[in-house]
Amino acid sequence: KAGVTQTPRYLIKTRGQQVTLSCSPISGHRSVSWYQQTPGQGLQFLFEYFSETQRNKGNFPGRFSGRQFSNSRSEMNVSTLELGDSALYLCASSLVSSGPNEQFFGPGTRLTVL
Amino acid sequence: DAKTTQPTSMDCAEGRAANLPCNHSTISGNEYVYWYRQIHSQGPQYIIHGLKNNETNEMASLIITEDRKSSTLILPHATLRDTAVYYCIAHTPTISSNTGKLIFGQGTTLQVKP
Repeated sequence: KAGVTQTPRYLIKTRGQQVTLSCSPISGHRSVSWYQQTPGQGLQFLFEYFSETQRNKGNFPGRFSGRQFSNSRSEMNVSTLELGDSALYLCASSLVSSGPNEQFFGPGTRLTVL
Repeated sequence: DAKTTQPTSMDCAEGRAANLPCNHSTISGNEYVYWYRQIHSQGPQYIIHGLKNNETNEMASLIITEDRKSSTLILPHATLRDTAVYYCIAHTPTISSNTGKLIFGQGTTLQVKP
């Protein structure tokens, strides 16, 4: 079974631009979560999508948004990029069931804002 | 989700057991203890989880104290490839909410030395 894939793997943007990152979950997984990882703040939860609906959101400004499609693929968008948005953006998918489920992480997208 | 506390760093000799402690003194009755690890610049990898019984899989063992206020992850025969940051997370998995929202702390950097 293929793992979680994220595209692109590396991205360089300039301040003020916007960016869209893509995540394809493991087949059959309906929950997709996004995380931001920086050296200073560590791994921080951005948001989670399940059945095309955002059901959890972390403490990030409205410039960070996302969506999920009917095939469970997800995208996140960051508008008006700032230098501090430079980070590794990780996507994770999980199989939602009645018991505890592990999250499977993708390799991440490394975003550099100049 | 309950806050967890881990040592910042630990060393372990190759071939020896690595014992990584985690304190979660405010854990609630329906919170599981999850362990993930992150090898440099890769996405986090699920290791193991447990509620109150000790658990073992092909990667590690998880020992949870009877009062559930702390736990220990054991890598029985550490190799150089086990060098990583290890995260202990207390998390309530439910279908309706919080399934995909993991709160990562700073974790323990385990250095396995030859």
